[in-house]
Amino acid sequence: AQTVTQSQPEMSVQEAETVTLSCTYDTSESDYYLFWYKQPPSRQMILVIRQEAYKQQNATENRFSVNFQKAAKSFSLKISDSQLGDAAMYFCAYNGGGTGNQFYFGTGTSLTVIP
Amino acid sequence: DVKVTQSSRYLVKRTGEKVFLECVQDMDHENMFWYRQDPGLGLRLIYFSYDVKMKEKGDIPEGYSVSREKKERFSLILESASTNQTSMYLCASSPPRDPTNYGYTFGSGTRLTVV
Repeated sequence: AQTVTQSQPEMSVQEAETVTLSCTYDTSESDYYLFWYKQPPSRQMILVIRQEAYKQQNATENRFSVNFQKAAKSFSLKISDSQLGDAAMYFCAYNGGGTGNQFYFGTGTSLTVIP
Repeated sequence: DVKVTQSSRYLVKRTGEKVFLECVQDMDHENMFWYRQDPGLGLRLIYFSYDVKMKEKGDIPEGYSVSREKKERFSLILESASTNQTSMYLCASSPPRDPTNYGYTFGSGTRLTVV
């Protein structure tokens, strides 16, 4: 099984500030996909952003962007202009692609947004 | 709006009971998954299914079984519930080909307490 590590169990950020959540992974594959999911108190997991390993350009979705360092096997999530609605558990996930389609998740980072 | 529906949001069962957790998706997805989510451990895959009547063990299948008699429904069965199966259970589905374009669609989870 692939390993996904999130070393920050909890993080906090002031509203309107920027925060970065860390994620590292272990794989011997060259092609794969990485994701960040958000789980608010409602428990519904929501896809935030995804990155294909073959793309050098970092993915961006509005206030969310990633810093993908393939050689270092690092995939961090940056949230700009943090909002109260960003408070949630964030999970980093790895998928090797293909019909197997199994996701491997990190242990999560709980983000608190301080008004 | 596409949906993965888990029949119960909260469930309390007694030790030794047989427990059924139901998951239904309306997206005609071939792939369905059951995860359990525990604090500090993230999401761990219990079982998954690529098609009707097909099932594959995930990382932690012990104490669980599954049933997929119809494409839209994937049931998780605890044959004899134990207190260490108290957890949040998440169901997910995805299409079969190049599924990583979509990621998973998750249900809202069932919080099971075994007393």
